[in-house]
Amino acid sequence: EVQLVESGGGLVRPGGSLRLSCATSGFTFNNAWMSWVRQAPGKGLEWVGRIKSKADGGTTDYASFVKGRFIISTDDSKNTLFLQMNSLKSEDTAVYSCTTMSRGSSDQWGQGTLVTVSS
Amino acid sequence: DIQMTQSPSSLSASVGDRVTITCRASQGIRNDLGWYQQKPGKAPKRLIYAASSLQSGVPSRFSGSGSGTEFTLTISSLQPEDFATYYCLQHNSYPHTFGQGTKVEIK
Repeated sequence: EVQLVESGGGLVRPGGSLRLSCATSGFTFNNAWMSWVRQAPGKGLEWVGRIKSKADGGTTDYASFVKGRFIISTDDSKNTLFLQMNSLKSEDTAVYSCTTMSRGSSDQWGQGTLVTVSS
Repeated sequence: DIQMTQSPSSLSASVGDRVTITCRASQGIRNDLGWYQQKPGKAPKRLIYAASSLQSGVPSRFSGSGSGTEFTLTISSLQPEDFATYYCLQHNSYPHTFGQGTKVEIK
């Protein structure tokens, strides 16, 4: 069974940084493409970015609103996905979820971790 | 970025009704589209991939169609457990983009 467990969320001041983790199990992580999706309170889903497996180049793509502030990475030895978020803004307040990808799009989802950006 | 325009934003329907939700892409995306269901407080669940392929384990009352710029999700006979919010997601090009969602409520 695929399991995705996010952690690292919390309250951070505008301009601050936060690193989210997604611990995974139940599938071959080092062959997987993974993504992050967020959802602001009461709002819709918003795609954040994706990382390819290292075998496929390990490259990343991001949503336009990221603008160089976020970095997605992996630690294949720990089956863990990361989202480093810098220069955070109030509009980044959301639940951040990691997802596996199959057939080109998000497949299995974690429950998410809440990030609140506020002074 | 490709814009996904989903309609309606909400609808009220009764158990047994046929429900159709539409997504329009701002440019052609072939069949690179998925449909997701989200219930309050829960993670989204993919229902359809490649515009018309049913995800394993999803009831056959759900179906998807379309290609290019116009897509539909149809629920042939709405069940009580189907009241939720539905989203389309295009994955033809980066960044991937979601529609704004359709909330299906009980009439």
